[in-house]
Amino acid sequence: GENVEQHPSTLSVQEGDSAVIKCTYSDSASNYFPWYKQELGKRPQLIIDIRSNVGEKKDQRIAVTLNKTAKHFSLHITETQPEDSAVYFCAASQGGASKIIFGSGTRLSIRP
Amino acid sequence: NAGVTQTPKFRILKIGQSMTLQCAQDMNHNYMYWYRQDPGMGLKLIYYSVGAGITDKGEVPNGYNVSRSTTEDFPLRLELAAPSQTSVYFCASSHRGSGSTYEQYFGPGTRLTVT
Repeated sequence: GENVEQHPSTLSVQEGDSAVIKCTYSDSASNYFPWYKQELGKRPQLIIDIRSNVGEKKDQRIAVTLNKTAKHFSLHITETQPEDSAVYFCAASQGGASKIIFGSGTRLSIRP
Repeated sequence: NAGVTQTPKFRILKIGQSMTLQCAQDMNHNYMYWYRQDPGMGLKLIYYSVGAGITDKGEVPNGYNVSRSTTEDFPLRLELAAPSQTSVYFCASSHRGSGSTYEQYFGPGTRLTVT
């Protein structure tokens, strides 16, 4: 079955700098890759997603890139702000077909 | 819309007891999921359902059972609770179909402690 690995497990960046979180997946049939943000004590919420027919997607300060050949995808957050502090999860799925598997999470801290 | 609701919010169980975690959604979503999240860890898929009457195992199904008799409800049953089942349980739903976003909407979670 699908296996998703996520790195790093913790990340601390200066406010205003960029943050990058990387994930790899094992199942070449996976075609949908969402990213979720979970603030302390709250439920996960989708922040951005990408499908396998697209190499990059942007939404204001966040972007996701996908390399299908290497089976890895990354989350980029630019101009980080205190409210970006949270745990971020990547995930992989065969889209309409089946279950979604999450990475282990990255705890992002923004230093003032 | 209430979205995805879960009851109870908190529960303490003794070893060997049983309980059912309730999950309901009012968005007419066809897919529903149960995850567990251990402290400081990621989300592990327990079971999922692609529609009423259809369920399938996820990554960590042992010790749990589910049923999906209606589109709205997806209860999770714990039989013979063990300390290893201490966790936060999240239910989620999504709409999978032509033109859908595939976004999963999570419930607020149930914090379960087994002692």
